[in-house]
Amino acid sequence: AQSVTQPDIHITVSEGASLELRCNYSYGATPYLFWYVQSPGQGLQLLLKYFSGDTLVQGIKGFEAEFKRSQSSFNLRKPSVHWSDAAEYFCAVRGGTSYGKLTFGQGTILTVHP
Amino acid sequence: NAGVTQTPKFRVLKTGQSMTLLCAQDMNHEYMYWYRQDPGMGLRLIHYSVGEGTTAKGEVPDGYNVSRLKKQNFLLGLESAAPSQTSVYFCASSPRKLNGYTFGSGTRLTVV
Repeated sequence: AQSVTQPDIHITVSEGASLELRCNYSYGATPYLFWYVQSPGQGLQLLLKYFSGDTLVQGIKGFEAEFKRSQSSFNLRKPSVHWSDAAEYFCAVRGGTSYGKLTFGQGTILTVHP
Repeated sequence: NAGVTQTPKFRVLKTGQSMTLLCAQDMNHEYMYWYRQDPGMGLRLIHYSVGEGTTAKGEVPDGYNVSRLKKQNFLLGLESAAPSQTSVYFCASSPRKLNGYTFGSGTRLTVV
């Protein structure tokens, strides 16, 4: 069975600082990986996805993520955080014959200090 | 382009009452999903559908039923609501299995 772990429940950074959100997955074959963002009271918005090829993927809002098979990780990064990035971030994995079903991590809440 | 629309946005039910949550998508997507979101638990899959007239159980299906009579609509029913079903419910759709989802804005349900 596939699973996702986001080790950090809550992260606080200062505006302008760099950001890295951790994601570890468990899946036996090549996974399909996603990062979503959720602002308070809103639905989830897709930030980026990895299917194959280049292990560094670019997304919207200046985010990027790197797939590392040896570490079973797909960490999300941003060089300089803006106050509007404050939200909850979810990593998700899809694999196998599960008809596109995504399995989500528990989420990481990002707080940005001015 | 409305995307995925969920109705209602908020609802309070008494224990034992029934209700139906409606999800409608206008993107001609094949796959549709119902998730529930609870603090610290991420999103958990309740039921899903890979096409009109087909449904399947997800991770937490007990206490819920679904129907997909039309391709654009996916209904989630609670026959006898329980306080444990207090949650935020999200519907999502996808055109094919290798894509990410398009999410609705959610339904906040409270069962008292």
